[in-house]
Amino acid sequence: DGGITQSPKYLFRKEGQNVTLSCEQNLNHDAMYWYRQDPGQGLRLIYYSQIVNDFQKGDIAEGYSVSREKKESFPLTVTSAQKNPTAFYLCASSMGTENQPQHFGDGTRLSIL
Amino acid sequence: AQSVAQPEDQVNVAEGNPLTVKCTYSVSGNPYLFWYVQYPNRGLQFLLKYITGDNLVKGSYGFEAEFNKSQTSFHLKKPSALVSDSALYFCAVRETGTYKYIFGTGTRLKVLA
Repeated sequence: DGGITQSPKYLFRKEGQNVTLSCEQNLNHDAMYWYRQDPGQGLRLIYYSQIVNDFQKGDIAEGYSVSREKKESFPLTVTSAQKNPTAFYLCASSMGTENQPQHFGDGTRLSIL
Repeated sequence: AQSVAQPEDQVNVAEGNPLTVKCTYSVSGNPYLFWYVQYPNRGLQFLLKYITGDNLVKGSYGFEAEFNKSQTSFHLKKPSALVSDSALYFCAVRETGTYKYIFGTGTRLKVLA
């Protein structure tokens, strides 16, 4: 079955630690996205990538970093500079054309230890 | 700026009654509109989209949405609600000329038995 796989489902971060969230898709989609979801705030865009080896900052990129070395993979690193990382993180992909929806993974819930 | 608004944080409806979840949008050019549903601790699932053509769009699980250009609205509807429809619903629009999608803040639907 084609889809998006996020891992791990739950992640804990210690103070001063960087953590990396994995996102893999086998839909052959060009574009990939990372969102942060906090209660009552909907989805906020962290980073997105239209093509391999290229990515753009979203609305809340500070304290996060990404890479796009392969079409299938778009990992997100939450750095120690992100002072309030506790949230539900969602990865998505799309074909890139305007009339196509995004497909979402099942999220990673990150908490502070 | 392009935007999407979901004016209701929560909608309560009795099982078997019709439901409506409201969405209004502001975009330049032709809108590409989407509805998604999210169950607890899961990613968003695509329900339906409006690209062009008929103003009444049919989607998954018996949902439909009515596009109204003059009112810039795209309300989600279902003729007869089920308890299992209880979830968080998001309206989204593709930002013109970019790969970004703009999401509303979400509406929590509660269907009462």
